[in-house]
Amino acid sequence: GAGVSQSPRYKVTKRGQDVTLRCDPISSHATLYWYQQALGQGPEFLTYFNYEAQPDKSGLPSDRFSAERPEGSISTLTIQRTEQRDSAMYRCASSPGPGTGDYEQYFGPGTRLTVT
Amino acid sequence: RKEVEQDPGPFNVPEGATVAFNCTYSNSASQSFFWYRQDCRKEPKLLMSVYSSGNEDGRFTAQLNRASQYISLLIRDSKLSDSATYLCVVPLEGNFNKFYFGSGTKLNVKP
Repeated sequence: GAGVSQSPRYKVTKRGQDVTLRCDPISSHATLYWYQQALGQGPEFLTYFNYEAQPDKSGLPSDRFSAERPEGSISTLTIQRTEQRDSAMYRCASSPGPGTGDYEQYFGPGTRLTVT
Repeated sequence: RKEVEQDPGPFNVPEGATVAFNCTYSNSASQSFFWYRQDCRKEPKLLMSVYSSGNEDGRFTAQLNRASQYISLLIRDSKLSDSATYLCVVPLEGNFNKFYFGSGTKLNVKP
C-alpha cells in the first residue's frame, strides 16, 4: 500500500477485556515493529518481525502481550486481560528489511487504546 | 540510566533563529543515530540519519561527539513549520532492528 495503516484508530475497552490491534505495513517491507508511546514520551520498543519471524520480543511488558505476523505481511498485537496501565498509543512501523542498508522506519498513524 | 536522554524543552525561538538540541546516549559502542520529527498528534518521520561524524541537509546539521557520547541537531534559519518534537534514536549496537527512542525535545518557533 501507499503507507502503513493501523486499525482501529481508537479503541476504548473495559479492564479485563482482550483487544487486538492490526497493522498493515508497506507491502514491500520485510521488517515490522511495534511500539508503545505514552503521552509526552518517545516510542518504546515492544517487538519486531523480519517477515514472519519474531527474533526479539524482549520489549513486551508482560505475557499478556503477544504479536503475530503469520504470513509476513499484516501483523496483530493482542493484549489479554487489559489493565488501565496499558492505555497508550500503539504504533506500528515498517522498514525495507535486512540486507537493504535502509533503516528508515515508516510509522503508521497509531491506535489510541484507552482502558477504563 | 536511560539508553537515550534528551532535554524535553520546550525551546521557544523566534523565526530565523538558530537552535540546537543535544541527545546523550549510554552505549559507547553505538555507531549510528537517527533524528525523527514528530508533529503534534502525528506519527514520527525520519529527519536525518547519522552514520559517521555528522550529516548536513539544508538548514539541518547533525553532529556526533563520540568522546562525550552525544549527538546534536542544529537548525538554522528556523521556520514556523519547524515547530515539532524532535526524537533522537539509537539502534541497539549491531542490531538495526531494535531502536531506543529518546523522549523528544519540543521546539516552538514563534513569528
